[in-house]
Amino acid sequence: KAGVTQTPRYLIKTRGQQVTLSCSPISGHRSVSWYQQTPGQGLQFLFEYFSETQRNKGNFPGRFSGRQFSNSRSEMNVSTLELGDSALYLCASSQSLGGAYTGELFFGEGSRLTVL
Amino acid sequence: AQSVTQLDSHVSVSEGTPVLLRCNYSSSYSPSLFWYVQHPNKGLQLLLKYTSAATLVKGINGFEAEFKKSETSFHLTKPSAHMSDAAEYFCVVSPPSGGYQKVTFGTGTKLQVIP
Repeated sequence: KAGVTQTPRYLIKTRGQQVTLSCSPISGHRSVSWYQQTPGQGLQFLFEYFSETQRNKGNFPGRFSGRQFSNSRSEMNVSTLELGDSALYLCASSQSLGGAYTGELFFGEGSRLTVL
Repeated sequence: AQSVTQLDSHVSVSEGTPVLLRCNYSSSYSPSLFWYVQHPNKGLQLLLKYTSAATLVKGINGFEAEFKKSETSFHLTKPSAHMSDAAEYFCVVSPPSGGYQKVTFGTGTKLQVIP
């Protein structure tokens, strides 16, 4: 069974631009969550989607948004990039049986964003 | 409400000696607890999980953790460290199955293994 796939793995943007990151979950997993990881703030929860609906959201500004498609693939978008958005963005999928959270997360290798 | 505290940001051990990474949690319910490992520039990988079954949990690569409710702890141990164990380790708490809230990650412990 293929793991969680994130694309692109690395990207460089300049301030003010926008970026879209993609995540393909493990087949059969319907829950996808996103995290931002920085040396200063550690791992921070961005949002979680289940069946195309955002179920939970972390404390990030509205510039950070996401969506999930009917095949469970998810994208996150960051608009008007700031230097502080430079981070490793991790996606995780979960089986979420019957909509209930099973707790175990399967992570992709992340998309490393550098904002210049 | 829930929280998790990893008591050491860095731990350094010699190869072949025991590893102890400490984690305390706080939860208003009986939580599920996890340890994940992250090697440089990689995603997180599940090492082991506690979900209210046996309090001593065995994971991959020789790691194990013991759930101690009285001490609200879930420390990660390994009898003998290998060079390949050098990585960052995260303790994670989540609500029990059946409800959804965001998981809570600890701040991580970087394990250095000295040859």
